[in-house]
Amino acid sequence: DQQVKQNSPSLSVQEGRISILNCDYTNSMFDYFLWYKKYPAEGPTFLISISSIKDKNEDGRFTVFLNKSAKHLSLHIVPSQPGDSAVYFCAASAQGFNNDMRFGAGTRLTVKP
Amino acid sequence: EAGVTQFPSHSVIEKGQTVTLRCDPISGHDNLYWYRRVMGKEIKFLLHFVKESKQDESGMPNNRFLAERTGGTYSTLKVQPAELEDSGVYFCASSQSGSNTGELFFGEGSRLTVL
Repeated sequence: DQQVKQNSPSLSVQEGRISILNCDYTNSMFDYFLWYKKYPAEGPTFLISISSIKDKNEDGRFTVFLNKSAKHLSLHIVPSQPGDSAVYFCAASAQGFNNDMRFGAGTRLTVKP
Repeated sequence: EAGVTQFPSHSVIEKGQTVTLRCDPISGHDNLYWYRRVMGKEIKFLLHFVKESKQDESGMPNNRFLAERTGGTYSTLKVQPAELEDSGVYFCASSQSGSNTGELFFGEGSRLTVL
């Protein structure tokens, strides 16, 4: 039972343009959402997060949007850079922090120079 | 400060053999998690330790998998006997209790190949 879904396995964008990565979840108990970035042969690293009490969180070029009614979140990267090329995982947890986090299957982003 | 370290980075074994993966979390992190990723699929939760206690092991596939965290420091994940479908990358992650970001810190993973 996959509770966090990333339906796009890959995305390719041109350098300087916007990258939009999408994520859907099924468990209405999730109240904290995170994006992780993963390079080959490395573990995932935290990128940005959002609590369910917010609908937007911004950190530099990265913005996460949360639509609770649609159980959907998205990560916007603008402008995209070649160094952003990686696999991006959406994650969610319930009942606050340090509760078991569930991950999506990841979206491989390729930013072309 | 050292991050989460995992050993071995890659293990190739034959079906029926035993493998033990080790994870050293970041010092002071009470929470330790094991995850597994089979190629192209989600990072699947296996279990969660709080110190030496198993908080949640609902993701463990079957009784061929045994995780321990004696003394609440490092953890081991043993697969015995290994099957072909156990192949994948096993990630360990840790976090502090009461962290205000909810962030997990991951190791680089242990790739297991069962032939």
